[in-house]
Formats: sequence, structure tokens, C-alpha cells
Amino acid sequence: NAGVTQTPKFQVLKTGQSMTLQCAQDMNHEYMSWYRQDPGMGLRLIHYSVGAGITDQGEVPNGYNVSRSTTEDFPLRLLSAAPSQTSVYFCASSSSSRGLDLQHFGDGTRLSIL
Amino acid sequence: AQKVTQAQTEISVVEKEDVTLDCVYETRDTTYYLFWYKQPPSGELVFLIRRNSFDEQNEISGRYSWNFQKSTSSFNFTITASQVVDSAVYFCALSEFSFSGNTGKLIFGQGTTLQVKP
Repeated sequence: NAGVTQTPKFQVLKTGQSMTLQCAQDMNHEYMSWYRQDPGMGLRLIHYSVGAGITDQGEVPNGYNVSRSTTEDFPLRLLSAAPSQTSVYFCASSSSSRGLDLQHFGDGTRLSIL
Repeated sequence: AQKVTQAQTEISVVEKEDVTLDCVYETRDTTYYLFWYKQPPSGELVFLIRRNSFDEQNEISGRYSWNFQKSTSSFNFTITASQVVDSAVYFCALSEFSFSGNTGKLIFGQGTTLQVKP
């Protein structure tokens, strides 16, 4: 059981570069979300999706793009990286079914923007 | 707006001491879930417990116990006889809960860093 898989685990970018953080889950979960973790601020929701083709903004969406073309994948795009986006990023998935709605987290992507 | 507050930024104890991590939440929803996660130095998030808003029974799991009090909007976490392996960042979180169930969204507290010294 792979669960939620995030790639890459580490990445260093220069300001202005673009990149995509990948997130895949094999549990057929409807809900997927991206969080960023910064010191002293806990995890904050960036974007989330309640199903393929449906996405919405979370608390801190600026500078990030998402799309959900399949149930399994929910990539997070940084179009023009900024130092303020240096953070640890977590992807999560969960089911809409009661009793199965526990969130499953990936291991995180540590991103540094120089 | 929904909010989770963990007022204790860092706690340091000596092994075998008991320690309580505080969590206070704000929500207008009558139905919600509360969670505790552990983040060890390796960085992954480890699920510890989930409690729904209709279940105010205290929970005990080994050395861990949780006290949920809706009257004070608190969901505190106690580690009894702490061990060095308990050293980690602990997060309390609140989920939005719609009529149909899970919304897939969590609101996290700022986290409490627990250091257990030998």
C-alpha cells in the first residue's frame, strides 16, 4: 500500500523558476489537499479538491496553481518561485465516506527558494 | 472563523514526567472532528487520535490520554511518564464537517514542540 506519494522529497529552486510538486494516492479518495508548514504557524491549507475537475482555494493560495484531472493525482504548481514559498509542503487525501474520512498525509516535500 | 490555538510553543520535561499539551478551538459548527498529530524529527505526520464533537468521553491509549471538553472548547493531550521518543512537534487540528460528511479540510494549530530530556 503506497498511500499518498509525494515527489520530490527535496528541491532547491532559484527565484523566478517554476516547478510542479507531485502528489499521487492509490486509495481512490475523493478529497485531496495541499498544505504548507512554516515554523510557528502550523500547517496551512493552500488548495484542495473534492473530486476530479473540482478545486478550490484554501487559506494561502497566492502563488500556487492546482488542477485535478484524475482522482489519483493532484499536482501543485509554482509558476514563479519566490523566497517566501520556502517551506515544507504536505499533500493529503481522504474519503468522503463517513468512517473512512481520516486524512492520509504524504511524507512531505522540503522546498527551498534562493 | 474556525481557529485552533496551541498556546504552548515549546515544552521541556525530564523523562518520566507527565506533560499536558493544550489545545483550544473555535468553530460555529455543531458537528466537527478534532485531531492530534505527532511530527517526529524525521518530519512525517503521525495520526494519534480523532474525536467527533458528539463524543466527549475521555480517551486513553497506553501512556496517552485526551480530555475533550466542549464547554471550554478544549481538547488537551496528556502524556504520562514521558519518554525521550515522545520528543516531537504535536499538532492539534479541527476539521470542517459538512452535512454529507468530511470536507477534506483541516485547520491546524501552531504546534507544540515537546522535548523530553533523559
